[in-house]
Amino acid sequence: GIQVEQSPPDLILQEGANSTLRCNFSDSVNNLQWFHQNPWGQLINLFYIPSGTKQNGRLSATTVATERYSLLYISSSQTTDSGVYFCAVGGGTSGSRLTFGEGTQLTVNP
Amino acid sequence: EPEVTQTPSHQVTQMGQEVILRCVPISNHLYFYWYRQILGQKVEFLVSFYNNEISEKSEIFDDQFSVERPDGSNFTLKIRSTKLEDSAMYFCASSSTRDGGYTFGSGTRLTVV
Repeated sequence: GIQVEQSPPDLILQEGANSTLRCNFSDSVNNLQWFHQNPWGQLINLFYIPSGTKQNGRLSATTVATERYSLLYISSSQTTDSGVYFCAVGGGTSGSRLTFGEGTQLTVNP
Repeated sequence: EPEVTQTPSHQVTQMGQEVILRCVPISNHLYFYWYRQILGQKVEFLVSFYNNEISEKSEIFDDQFSVERPDGSNFTLKIRSTKLEDSAMYFCASSSTRDGGYTFGSGTRLTVV
């Protein structure tokens, strides 16, 4: 099946700093989503972005499908941004199922 | 914004008991899914459901698991005889198209004792 690798596995920032999270995947995909898992375990959908660039407030994401990677940018980080960020991909040989990466654990300190 | 609703939010059950986890997907969505996340691990696919039948399932989804859409709004996951290793957060999700964006519910935390 498709492989999804996220980096870095852990990231510690001071409030106000910017960061870039990366997701590499091993096959062509028709679906790519970024999720934030909050301390209560909820998966919050950030972006549906199988290709192109999107922005939502302090967050933006870019997927370069031909090169099989996606980036999530967080600007002016806040303590409430802390949690685990997951990239999940689907389509292609994986069918409709989403395959999740291991996640990036982000800690934003005040 | 439309939501996927899951109940209960927490469930504790004795090993060997049957549990039913319930989900109400977004009303105009056609594809329904169950995923699980064992504590500290990544989210894993269990099963997808479309047109009143299972369309895909993972190797995790063995004979002790079943899914049902008993009416036009609910989607359930049944675990027939729970084991300790079934303890996990179970997420329901739905999407309007096969490769469309998923919306996940808030999860049911299942603890088997």
